Amino acid sequence: AQSVSQHNHHVILSEAASLELGCNYSYGGTVNLFWYVQYPGQHLQLLLKYFSGDPLVKGIKGFEAEFIKSKFSFNLRKPSVQWSDTAEYFCAVNVRLGNQGGKLIFGQGTELSVKP
Amino acid sequence: DTGVSQNPRHKITKRGQNVTFRCDPISEHNRLYWYRQTLGQGPEFLTYFQNEAQLEKSRLLSDRFSAERPKGSFSTLEIQRTEQGDSAMYLCASSLDRGGYTFGSGTRLTVV
Repeated sequence: AQSVSQHNHHVILSEAASLELGCNYSYGGTVNLFWYVQYPGQHLQLLLKYFSGDPLVKGIKGFEAEFIKSKFSFNLRKPSVQWSDTAEYFCAVNVRLGNQGGKLIFGQGTELSVKP
Repeated sequence: DTGVSQNPRHKITKRGQNVTFRCDPISEHNRLYWYRQTLGQGPEFLTYFQNEAQLEKSRLLSDRFSAERPKGSFSTLEIQRTEQGDSAMYLCASSLDRGGYTFGSGTRLTVV
């Protein structure tokens, strides 16, 4: 079965520090990849997505992610975090199987706390 | 508001009661998904529809759970004979084919 693994359960950083959150998935076929953010008390919001093309994807709020097919990874990065980035971050995979397999499979999430 | 709408936002029910949640997706989206999220975990897939057809159901969806999307627009998720283990946030999302998924704010269910 397909699965998504996020390496860190809780990350604590100071403002202006650089961020990298790891995400690995297990599936050998073609995938679409996503990062979602959930601010406290709010719903899931899309940060960025990769379908095809340039493996370096830029998203909202200065986030970017790199798809490395050989490593089955899609790590999220931000050069300089802000206190307002405090949230939970979820990596998700959508497996392409023709017209089937439309569901998103989520990782367990990484809680990011940014200290002012 | 053109986002995904879920009602109610909160539901407290006694064990053994039935509950029903509603999701109104973005109008032009043909796919609708239900997920369940518990504290500290990522959303777990329950079921999804393409138009009115229910294409996949997770093994997490026991016989007590049923979902419908009668006219390919809104959807309902019913839980019969609720148990304390059903307490969770129930999320709905919609998408257009394989595009980006838009999530609703969820319905938080507490079974007492």
